[in-house]
Amino acid sequence: SQTIHQWPATLVQPVGSPLSLECTVEGTSNPNLYWYRQAAGRGLQLLFYSVGIGQISSEVPQNLSASRPQDRQFILSSKKLLLSDSGFYLCAWSLTQYNEQFFGPGTRLTVL
Amino acid sequence: DAKTTQPTSMDCAEGRAANLPCNHSTISGNEYVYWYRQIHSQGPQYIIHGLKNNETNEMASLIITEDRKSSTLILPHATLRDTAVYYCIVRYSGGSNYKLTFGKGTLLTVNP
Repeated sequence: SQTIHQWPATLVQPVGSPLSLECTVEGTSNPNLYWYRQAAGRGLQLLFYSVGIGQISSEVPQNLSASRPQDRQFILSSKKLLLSDSGFYLCAWSLTQYNEQFFGPGTRLTVL
Repeated sequence: DAKTTQPTSMDCAEGRAANLPCNHSTISGNEYVYWYRQIHSQGPQYIIHGLKNNETNEMASLIITEDRKSSTLILPHATLRDTAVYYCIVRYSGGSNYKLTFGKGTLLTVNP
C-alpha cells in the first residue's frame, strides 16, 4: 500500500530564515505530487504541483519554491520566511491529475 | 468547479448512522462528487467519490440523486473517531484541473 510522509511535523522559525519541508511517497511510481497550504480559518490553497521529476508548476507566485529531485520526493523551500507564511502545509499525491488525492500528515509552520 | 453547500455542523450519536448532505445544484455532467474529512490537526483524508451511481467502500456510502444536484455521505455506524470536518467537493476530472477546492465543510460531532 502507499504511504506519504512529511517532516517535520511542527516548526517554529523566525522571520527572514530559510525553510525546507520534505515529503516522500512510498509504494507507487511517478505519482503526481502537490503542496497545499491551509491558513487558520481558511480553505486549502494549492501552491505547487508536479507531474514528474524536475517538473514543477506554480499556482500562486510568492516567496516559496518547490523541487522534485527524485520521483517520490517533493521539497518546499523558502530563502526568507515572512509572517504570512505561517500555516499548515500539506503534501498530497495522486496517480494522475484525474484521480483522488491522498494527503500527508502535514507540517504546522509558525513564523515569528 | 461547481459550488457546494453543506450544513455548518451536525451531531450524531455513537453507533448510529451519520447522514451528511451536500447540495451542488450547478454540477455539470463531467464533474465528480468527492468527499474528504479532516480530523483536527491532521491532513485531509479521502473518503469516497462518484459520478452518477451510488458508491460504497469500507468507510462510507455515497448516495447521489438522479438529477445529481445533491448527494449524501453515509457513515453507517459512527464512532467517536469519526468526529471531523467533512468536505463535499465537486471537481472536473479532466484537462489541466489539478487542485482540490475545499469549502467550509460540515463539522460532525459524534457523541457517546
